[in-house]
Amino acid sequence: DTGVSQDPRHKITKRGQNVTFRCDPISEHNRLYWYRQTLGQGPEFLTYFQNEAQLEKSRLLSDRFSAERPKGSFSTLEIQRTEQGDSAMYLCASSPILGAGSPLHFGNGTRLTVT
Amino acid sequence: AQSVTQLDSHVSVSEGTPVLLRCNYSSSYSPSLFWYVQHPNKGLQLLLKYTSAATLVKGINGFEAEFKKSETSFHLTKPSAHMSDAAEYFCVVSTDNYGQNFVFGPGTRLSVLP
Repeated sequence: DTGVSQDPRHKITKRGQNVTFRCDPISEHNRLYWYRQTLGQGPEFLTYFQNEAQLEKSRLLSDRFSAERPKGSFSTLEIQRTEQGDSAMYLCASSPILGAGSPLHFGNGTRLTVT
Repeated sequence: AQSVTQLDSHVSVSEGTPVLLRCNYSSSYSPSLFWYVQHPNKGLQLLLKYTSAATLVKGINGFEAEFKKSETSFHLTKPSAHMSDAAEYFCVVSTDNYGQNFVFGPGTRLSVLP
């Protein structure tokens, strides 16, 4: 178990640019989640995959956001035309399909700063 | 619908004294409950979880939490704080372990004074 890996750890971009983040979940985990966390707040749900299927998206996820998990393994989160309000920590988590009580396993996050 | 309230945004204790971080939840169904810890610029680490077995749950690093259904509470405790416990703590409620159904509280920042 090598844990959930996220890349990059930090990203600084100018407003209007596109950015893409990558998440590699724990290998046997079918479920993959993206969360956004702003300073002083708890994580907010963005979207969720079971294998390669994107099953749920939050209303927080505007049209500028898109996520994929093409082969049911790693996932990417792309933000187009970034805005200063997109500055946040983007967290990826994975979990197995085990029934009630399966916890989320988080990566260390990607911190995005939009200037 | 589910929700989580963490009653204190900031708790400060002296090293060696007990820690109490309070969490109340609202859920229509039998919930699973979790506590996570987050150190600066790090992801969230699972401390412990409750999933309808024993109401007193032991976690890592000496932390415990007790599920009290009548009070809809899941408070986190530790008998003796250590400097390394200083971090942000999140209480989480979930009823069916997928999608939006992990609901995070706003967090409690724990400071440990020497």
